[in-house]
Amino acid sequence: QKEVEQDPGPLSVPEGAIVSLNCTYSNSAFQYFMWYRQYSRKGPELLMYTYSSGNKEDGRFTAQVDKSSKYISLFIRDSQPSDSATYLCAMSATGTASKLTFGTGTRLQVTL
Amino acid sequence: EAQVTQNPRYLITVTGKKLTVTCSQNMNHEYMSWYRQDPGLGLRQIYYSMNVEVTDKGDVPEGYKVSRKEKRNFPLILESPSPNQTSLYFCASSLGLAGGPVFGPGTRLTVL
Repeated sequence: QKEVEQDPGPLSVPEGAIVSLNCTYSNSAFQYFMWYRQYSRKGPELLMYTYSSGNKEDGRFTAQVDKSSKYISLFIRDSQPSDSATYLCAMSATGTASKLTFGTGTRLQVTL
Repeated sequence: EAQVTQNPRYLITVTGKKLTVTCSQNMNHEYMSWYRQDPGLGLRQIYYSMNVEVTDKGDVPEGYKVSRKEKRNFPLILESPSPNQTSLYFCASSLGLAGGPVFGPGTRLTVL
């Protein structure tokens, strides 16, 4: 079993929809959590960073961490075609600069 | 512009021919890492470096070498490449233990 599980999708939604992306994990020591967006043939781009539990909002994006359930989420409001990409969750126990474990990514398609 | 650069971006080589992929960052970051990305397996860490002359193994270090002689550079060396090292490689850097790493644009390597 992988330490971090993420549904690969693809997830297809109409423009303007609210998107929910999720990851589950098994390592209770994880305390640094990130979401990255990766467009085709590009490097991952950091969207959200959260330390420990709680919510964080940045524009149309909201990240949630529930450490008791070992579950993290990324919500995208008012989704746009430009949000079409692969979304990767990542987490670490010792700090994001050292050992970082990624999910395999969820491919999102926002249609007109 | 603050960025991580990698060279080459694309490389086709043959088994056993030593190669080096360069990585450079202009953000004065302490920490740098190398990852490989494979379908169905996601991003996996190869090596990371906490500072000049300080490196440590990630999840998949076999067949790779790294060195950190200068703060800004972190080259990845494949001394005897094999076909199972065909992959998409990313370099990343970060300022501290918290905050998500910044990724480079990637190097697509094919070993025949």
